[in-house]
Amino acid sequence: DAGVIQSPRHEVTEMGQEVTLRCKPISGHDYLFWYRQTMMRGLELLIYFNNNVPIDDSGMPEDRFSAKMPNASFSTLKIQPSEPRDSAVYFCASSQSPYNEQFFGPGTRLTVL
Amino acid sequence: RKEVEQDPGPFNVPEGATVAFNCTYSNSASQSFFWYRQDCRKEPKLLMSVYSSGNEDGRFTAQLNRASQYISLLIRDSKLSDSATYLCVVSGVQTGANNLFFGTGTRLTVIP
Repeated sequence: DAGVIQSPRHEVTEMGQEVTLRCKPISGHDYLFWYRQTMMRGLELLIYFNNNVPIDDSGMPEDRFSAKMPNASFSTLKIQPSEPRDSAVYFCASSQSPYNEQFFGPGTRLTVL
Repeated sequence: RKEVEQDPGPFNVPEGATVAFNCTYSNSASQSFFWYRQDCRKEPKLLMSVYSSGNEDGRFTAQLNRASQYISLLIRDSKLSDSATYLCVVSGVQTGANNLFFGTGTRLTVIP
């Protein structure tokens, strides 16, 4: 298995632009998580899905952030409009249950100028 | 209060030294505990699960103290390759959903 796949690996954009991050979880994993990591705040859970259904989105910072999981093998995290404070590394992870090991993708390093 | 708290370090230790990290958690109902390792500019990866009776994997020993709500990680005979950030992870319930909560990590640098 290729593991969790994320794209793009790096994204540099200007304030106000729309950003879309993509994730393909490990096949057979029913849970998919989106995290944001910064030096100041560490790893923060943004939202997670179970069987493509959003379960907890309390970590989504504000309405500028949205996430979808149209099928078991694909999820997107969208930021519109982006702001400099959104600059961070965004990780996608998947697991077989919420309490089992989570497997992380390589992350997307986002820079908003 | 944060779900999981760790000393951010950094811990700078010589090769061959023994180093220990502690982590406290706030939810007494937590059932699952892990240590993850994160190398610079890489994703977190599972180092080891932490079991109630304590467990060992080579040079690494993890302990759980439910009464005091902390977990620990002991690394013996430190290697240069152990340099990384170690994340304490605890399961919990928030807003009705089940989650894993990650600490902010403890940075370890092993010095030649």
